[in-house]
Amino acid sequence: GAGVSQSPRYKVAKRGQDVALRCDPISGHVSLFWYQQALGQGPEFLTYFQNEAQLDKSGLPSDRFFAERPEGSVSTLKIQRTQQEDSAVYLCASRGEGEYEQYFGPGTRLTVT
Amino acid sequence: DQQVKQNSPSLSVQEGRISILNCDYTNSMFDYFLWYKKYPAEGPTFLISISSIKDKNEDGRFTVFLNKSAKHLSLHIVPSQPGDSAVYFCAASESGGGADGLTFGKGTHLIIQP
Repeated sequence: GAGVSQSPRYKVAKRGQDVALRCDPISGHVSLFWYQQALGQGPEFLTYFQNEAQLDKSGLPSDRFFAERPEGSVSTLKIQRTQQEDSAVYLCASRGEGEYEQYFGPGTRLTVT
Repeated sequence: DQQVKQNSPSLSVQEGRISILNCDYTNSMFDYFLWYKKYPAEGPTFLISISSIKDKNEDGRFTVFLNKSAKHLSLHIVPSQPGDSAVYFCAASESGGGADGLTFGKGTHLIIQP
């Protein structure tokens, strides 16, 4: 079946603009994760959903970052009043019930100018 | 404070030889470890994993070794092929890969030379 998809693949925002990044997980996967990957670094955990419940948001860097998954499938990561330091690749991953491995989407590259 | 460290930013190996990628961790609560491979402009692709109750896991050309006492794991690829050229990330999880997000190293860029 289809893997994890993310849109848009590339986003350029002016400083201060709000952005919304979308993730479509693998069908049937209950767990969904968001990561931020800065240039030359490994992905860093942002937040985790099990179905529609956000169980961990300890990695969100500020209250400008907000994630939701209202129906337990598609998720949106929203960044308000973007800053230059928000420039990064945002990765979404999903995981099936009882599994350990997370499966990643291609990411959204956000550039804040 | 990096909890997962990949100290070699890059590694060059001849085609057909063995590639060994190393990873060290500091958090003794990590109990599940994964390796991911990443091509440019793509997301990480899962390769192989190992639970802390094992010291070795093998899948085709890929073998992961875990030394818990040294808090060290390694990924062996043999024989190395041109398509193996990519960035490899080591990742770790607490609670058996349950609720927690993964903690990643910075990656090692593997270059397979013909």
